[in-house]
Amino acid sequence: QKEVEQDPGPLSVPEGAIVSLNCTYSNSAFQYFMWYRQYSRKGPELLMYTYSSGNKEDGRFTAQVDKSSKYISLFIRDSQPSDSATYLCAMTLSGGSYIPTFGRGTSLIVHP
Amino acid sequence: GAVVSQHPSWVICKSGTSVKIECRSLDFQATTMFWYRQFPKQSLMLMATSNEGSKATYEQGVEKDKFLINHASLTLSTLTVTSAHPEDSSFYICSARVGGGGPHGTSGYNEQFFGPGTRLTVL
Repeated sequence: QKEVEQDPGPLSVPEGAIVSLNCTYSNSAFQYFMWYRQYSRKGPELLMYTYSSGNKEDGRFTAQVDKSSKYISLFIRDSQPSDSATYLCAMTLSGGSYIPTFGRGTSLIVHP
Repeated sequence: GAVVSQHPSWVICKSGTSVKIECRSLDFQATTMFWYRQFPKQSLMLMATSNEGSKATYEQGVEKDKFLINHASLTLSTLTVTSAHPEDSSFYICSARVGGGGPHGTSGYNEQFFGPGTRLTVL
């Protein structure tokens, strides 16, 4: 079993839809949970991060962490074609070198 | 945000040759730089971590004699793929981080800033 599982998709939605992206993980010691967006042939960029459990909102994006279920989610409201990209979840321990473990990414396509 | 550049953005080489990829932090000093490899539809796989002025730490299964990493300054790290073979064809991405690995307070995360990647094709 991989430490971080993420469905690769692709996930295709119409413009304006609410998108839900998810990851599960096996290591209960993970404390920081991140979501990165990666456009084709580009490096990832950090969208948002959450420490421990809870929700965090930033504009149209909401990140949720449920540590009891080892499950994290990213919601995108009012999705736009410009949101089309691969979304990678990542997580890191609270101690040590804080090098994140990445999921394989979910490809999202928002069509007009 | 902080900017990290990579050069070249893509390279095609013949089997058996060596290829050097540069990673630069343009507007900040990076104590630590990371090198990742990403195959199509796969996750980022960490290859090595390098700190300025010291030897790189390689992840298990990564050949240090094949993937030479030099972190010569606080703004430059290089990855040299020696004697490249077709199976080395991949997307190589570097990232850079300021300072140590700890979070800033209980709610801070010491962010890595990623470069745009280098696509290597070995014929």
